[in-house]
Amino acid sequence: DTEVTQTPKHLVMGMTNKKSLKCEQHMGHRAMYWYKQKAKKPPELMFVYSYEKLSINESVPSRFSPECPNSSLLNLHLHALQPEDSALYLCASSQGPGQGNNEQFFGPGTRLTVL
Amino acid sequence: EDQVTQSPEALRLQEGESSSLNCSYTVSGLRGLFWYRQDPGKGPEFLFTLYSAGEEKEKERLKATLTKKESFLHITAPKPEDSATYLCAVQAHDSNYQLIWGAGTKLIIKP
Repeated sequence: DTEVTQTPKHLVMGMTNKKSLKCEQHMGHRAMYWYKQKAKKPPELMFVYSYEKLSINESVPSRFSPECPNSSLLNLHLHALQPEDSALYLCASSQGPGQGNNEQFFGPGTRLTVL
Repeated sequence: EDQVTQSPEALRLQEGESSSLNCSYTVSGLRGLFWYRQDPGKGPEFLFTLYSAGEEKEKERLKATLTKKESFLHITAPKPEDSATYLCAVQAHDSNYQLIWGAGTKLIIKP
């Protein structure tokens, strides 16, 4: 099973709302990622969790708050977003450092629209 | 500076017309080069990993090759369902996680 699942598929929120994106993988991977992708651009790394600890925060604004409850789950909490945060949010996972292959497997994404 | 350049930006082919996509890279020690396919509004789908010059991987109508400076994704006798954006990314030796992405090549196969 090489599947990463994400919910919801689509999300529309106002600038004062609080919402969460969810991601799950059952491949036994120990690294999980959040990416943001704008139209006609490659994915842009936001956060990396390795062995359930935050390893990388690419200077992401605090209105985005990641959480890794366990090795299979990854959440992204959203609060007071701006219209320019509208994008496709992608979750990915990989085996983790020192575990062999480094390829990242992506979920289908959540299309986020901020009004 | 580490960077990845993909060419062409877009490629239109007739069904059955074979061609190649290019990914040129500059990186301080290559850990791996990755090819992905992305359909509109979907997440990237992993295709291949290449680790060292001379390596080749194949899957159906796709074949990826690697030299010390570039990778090619050869597509043989493409079908309309091969239409997608193809993304190339590299991982440097000193990185456990970060990928350096190319801008992608949009491939359109006309029936």
